[in-house]
Parts: sequence; structure tokens; C-alpha cells
Amino acid sequence: EAQVTQNPRYLITVTGKKLTVTCSQNMNHEYMSWYRQDPGLGLRQIYYSMNVEVTDKGDVPEGYKVSRKEKRNFPLILESPSPNQTSLYFCASTRLAVGELFFGEGSRLTVL
Amino acid sequence: QKEVEQNSGPLSVPEGAIASLNCTYSDRGSQSFFWYRQYSGKSPELIMFIYSNGDKEDGRFTAQLNKASQYVSLLIRDSQPSDSATYLCAVLKAAGNKLTFGGGTRVLVKP
Repeated sequence: EAQVTQNPRYLITVTGKKLTVTCSQNMNHEYMSWYRQDPGLGLRQIYYSMNVEVTDKGDVPEGYKVSRKEKRNFPLILESPSPNQTSLYFCASTRLAVGELFFGEGSRLTVL
Repeated sequence: QKEVEQNSGPLSVPEGAIASLNCTYSDRGSQSFFWYRQYSGKSPELIMFIYSNGDKEDGRFTAQLNKASQYVSLLIRDSQPSDSATYLCAVLKAAGNKLTFGGGTRVLVKP
């Protein structure tokens, strides 16, 4: 089954404790992206990757890091999480038709 | 001004009626336009895309694009309770790699 898999789906953590949200897709897609979704602000892009070893900032990259060492994986790293990073995070991928995204199920992160 | 704007709703429509959703965008260089549906607690899923001015129909859904006026709309005919969801408009700039989303319009279809 074609899918984008995110883990963990739910996480409660404390300020400053490094965490990684993994994202993996099995569709051989070149393009992958991370979004966060907040009430009243909609979906905002954090980072995206056009292919292996090619990443670029989205609209709200502060406080986040990403890497793309393999085509299928695109982890989102929060080096020192803060409460304003409490949000619902979505990973998405596509085969270069950038608007036609396949989304993962989402990861709800709470930073205390 | 937000790059992509939508009325947050809720837009309440009776079952069987037409739901009309609007989206405006600020960048005249935008080339591609997408409508996603998001059920509560779920991830967005693509339902329509449109690249050229005019109408595009897919089943009960019709997307309309007017680049001169910088708006794109989505019509849902014969609305069903299962259409109750938030509809997200998304815009891709020319030669762009970033998809920008509007805040979404919540639609409630009442039996």
C-alpha cells in the first residue's frame, strides 16, 4: 500500500529535550516536505526536499532541522523544542508535481 | 495580506444543495491551484487541481479559476453529510517548489 508513515503519532515532551519525528514514504517520490498546522494559521511549510541531499527552507524553518540522506526518509529534528512548537505536524511527498501531495497521518506534538 | 485567503466558515448547507467555496491569492505569478479536503483529525487529501482559466469538473466537484481576478473556487453539487470537512485551497507559484495553503473553509452539510 502506497503511504507516508510518520512516527510518533503523539508525543508530549519538555522544553529543550531534543526529538526527532520520522517520515518515510514507499512511493519513490523525489519531493518531500514538512508542514505544521495550527488553528487559525492553516498549514505552513517548514522545510522541503527536492531529492536526496537537497533541502531548503519553507516559510517557518526556525527551530527545526531536516536531513535527506535516503530518498524514502525525511526526518524532522527539533534540537531544543519550545512550547511554541506545540502543533500538529504533517509530512508529505510527491513525484515532482509539487501541488499533488500525499500526506502522512500527522504527528501531534506537545512541548511543556 | 495573506498569500492565500479563505473564509474560515463554517459554511452551512442543506443536504442536496450546492456548496460554494472561494479562495483568493495575492501572487499574480501563481500557476497551479489545488483543493484539499481534510476531515476532522485526519490528514489533507487532494480532491481537485486546476491550471487553466475556466471550469474543471470531476464528479460532484467543479473547480473554477479566474487568474485576472486572482480567485479560485470550488463548487460541491448535491452536497452530502459526508462532504462535511475543512476544504483547503493551495497555490503553487510559477517554477516554484513551495505550496502555500489558505486557512481552510469548514463546511457543514446538514441532513
